[in-house]
Amino acid sequence: GNSVTQMEGPVTLSEEAFLTINCTYTATGYPSLFWYVQYPGEGLQLLLKATKADDKGSNKGFEATYRKETTSFHLEKGSVQVSDSAVYFCALSDPRNNDMRFGAGTRLTVKP
Amino acid sequence: DAGVIQSPRHEVTEMGQEVTLRCKPISGHNSLFWYRQTMMRGLELLIYFNNNVPIDDSGMPEDRFSAKMPNASFSTLKIQPSEPRDSAVYFCASEPGGGKGETQYFGPGTRLLVL
Repeated sequence: GNSVTQMEGPVTLSEEAFLTINCTYTATGYPSLFWYVQYPGEGLQLLLKATKADDKGSNKGFEATYRKETTSFHLEKGSVQVSDSAVYFCALSDPRNNDMRFGAGTRLTVKP
Repeated sequence: DAGVIQSPRHEVTEMGQEVTLRCKPISGHNSLFWYRQTMMRGLELLIYFNNNVPIDDSGMPEDRFSAKMPNASFSTLKIQPSEPRDSAVYFCASEPGGGKGETQYFGPGTRLLVL
């Protein structure tokens, strides 16, 4: 079946540091890939997505590239801010059956 | 658009009581999902509906849990009887339902505490 594995946290960085959160997936078809973010006390919200191989999703300075050859969708940001502190979830959706799978989440804390 | 609406936002109840969580999806969305989030188990999909029909309920933990979607604008998740281990944040999410890797839109969640 489909599954997502993401880097375990927590991750603690200083402001303006470079961020990478690794995500790899297993899928039998051609899934869409997502990064969702959850701020304290809130529901998940979409950060970025990519629907096919080599697509790059980007939003708010975050980027992730759909790599079919390595089955990965790593999240990166060049310079994090304190306001980026949240839990980040990698996810995939199988368009054949609407099957959505989330990773375990990675908690990011950015210190001033 | 008001987004996905969930009620109540917080619920505290005693073991053995019935709990009903409510969700109003975004208008026009055809798919609705119920998730449970805990520190130990992370985010778990409980059940999802497509066009008001339950498609996959394999994530429902046991018979104490039931979910309904009587129409396109309303869904309930019921726990009867509730137990302390049901304490979690329950999220509802909706999706346009085109079946092509759509984005899910989450509600704010219901934080449930069973004493």
